[in-house]
Amino acid sequence: NAGVMQNPRHLVRRRGQEARLRCSPMKGHSHVYWYRQLPEEGLKFMVYLQKENIIDESGMPKERFSAEFPKEGPSILRIQQVVRGDSAAYFCASSPPAGGANVLTFGAGSRLTVL
Amino acid sequence: SQQGEEDPQALSIQEGENATMNCSYKTSINNLQWYRQNSGRGLVHLILIRSNEREKHSGRLRVTLDTSKKSSSLLITASRAADTASYFCATDVIDNFNKFYFGSGTKLNVKP
Repeated sequence: NAGVMQNPRHLVRRRGQEARLRCSPMKGHSHVYWYRQLPEEGLKFMVYLQKENIIDESGMPKERFSAEFPKEGPSILRIQQVVRGDSAAYFCASSPPAGGANVLTFGAGSRLTVL
Repeated sequence: SQQGEEDPQALSIQEGENATMNCSYKTSINNLQWYRQNSGRGLVHLILIRSNEREKHSGRLRVTLDTSKKSSSLLITASRAADTASYFCATDVIDNFNKFYFGSGTKLNVKP
């Protein structure tokens, strides 16, 4: 069981470019979450998805950010026209199907640096 | 707004001492969880306590929950240098088991 896999681990982009971060959940997990962490800060909820369905995107900035979790393949967090303030660690977590107290399993994170 | 705030923000102790971290939250919850993050790594789940529980133990960890005060504490007994990490509490939202909010964490440094 490979756990939650995120790639790339590190990504450097210039202002205005696009960043794509990928997350493959644990086997058997149907829910995916994306969180953003600034240095020395906690995790900020961004979005919660099931396959082909965004359940809650209340933490996503209204512009430039989008997320998807297609029927096949990993979940993708896409940031268009990146700005320096997007520099952060982006963590993906997954959990089993709903039905009680769920525990999140986290990936190692993708660290985005915007030059 | 997202809930769950830990205090202290930073804690430095000697190996062998106990470490206590606190978490306060704002709204009613189903469960509260504690996670640990080593520097530069993802979070690892430590322990979950349900809203109808008051205390829970797991190895050297002891968690308490006071729903009337909307607060929880994590006690690590007989700390080790390897316990050095940031510790976060995470709360869900009542009637929504699948949305989790994290606090800003307590950075624990255990000196050998």
